[in-house]
Amino acid sequence: DAGVIQSPRHEVTEMGQEVTLRCKPISGHNSLFWYRQTMMRGLELLIYFNNNVPIDDSGMPEDRFSAKMPNASFSTLKIQPSEPRDSAVYFCASRTQGVGNTEAFFGQGTRLTVV
Amino acid sequence: DQQVKQNSPSLSVQEGRISILNCDYTNSMFDYFLWYKKYPAEGPTFLISISSIKDKNEDGRFTVFLNKSAKHLSLHIVPSQPGDSAVYFCAALRGNTGKLIFGQGTTLQVKP
Repeated sequence: DAGVIQSPRHEVTEMGQEVTLRCKPISGHNSLFWYRQTMMRGLELLIYFNNNVPIDDSGMPEDRFSAKMPNASFSTLKIQPSEPRDSAVYFCASRTQGVGNTEAFFGQGTRLTVV
Repeated sequence: DQQVKQNSPSLSVQEGRISILNCDYTNSMFDYFLWYKKYPAEGPTFLISISSIKDKNEDGRFTVFLNKSAKHLSLHIVPSQPGDSAVYFCAALRGNTGKLIFGQGTTLQVKP
């Protein structure tokens, strides 16, 4: 398996533009997470899905952020409109939920810069 | 509301010595605790974990200790090697919901 695949690796956009980050989880994993890495909060959980259903989105900072998981092999995180303070590295991770302790596997991340 | 806290942003140790990274949590409902390692420009990778019913788990040079009464866990690396220099994240997992929460991370530097 190629692991968790995120695209793009880098994104530079202007303030006010819409940004869409993409994630393909590991095949067979039924749980998917979106994290944002910041200095202050470390790996901040934004939202996670179990079996394509959003379970907890309490970490989504504002209504400008939205996430979808239309099927088991694809998820998106959208920011509309983007702001400079959204600049960060965004990670997607997947794991198998319901089978004891199985670790989550991370993608390489998307470095977002909003200018 | 930071449920998992790593209060030391950085740690520097000499090669061959012990590195001790600490983590505190607030929610007694966590079932598993995990440590991840992260190199620059890469995603975090799993290192070692421990069940909440255990107090110690060892894997080679890495040992995790859990003190449930203090809601505290630590990662020991012995002996430390320069290649261990990275950011280490502590994480806590709710087994029934699958919610996985991370701390702020600690940057470890191992000097040759």
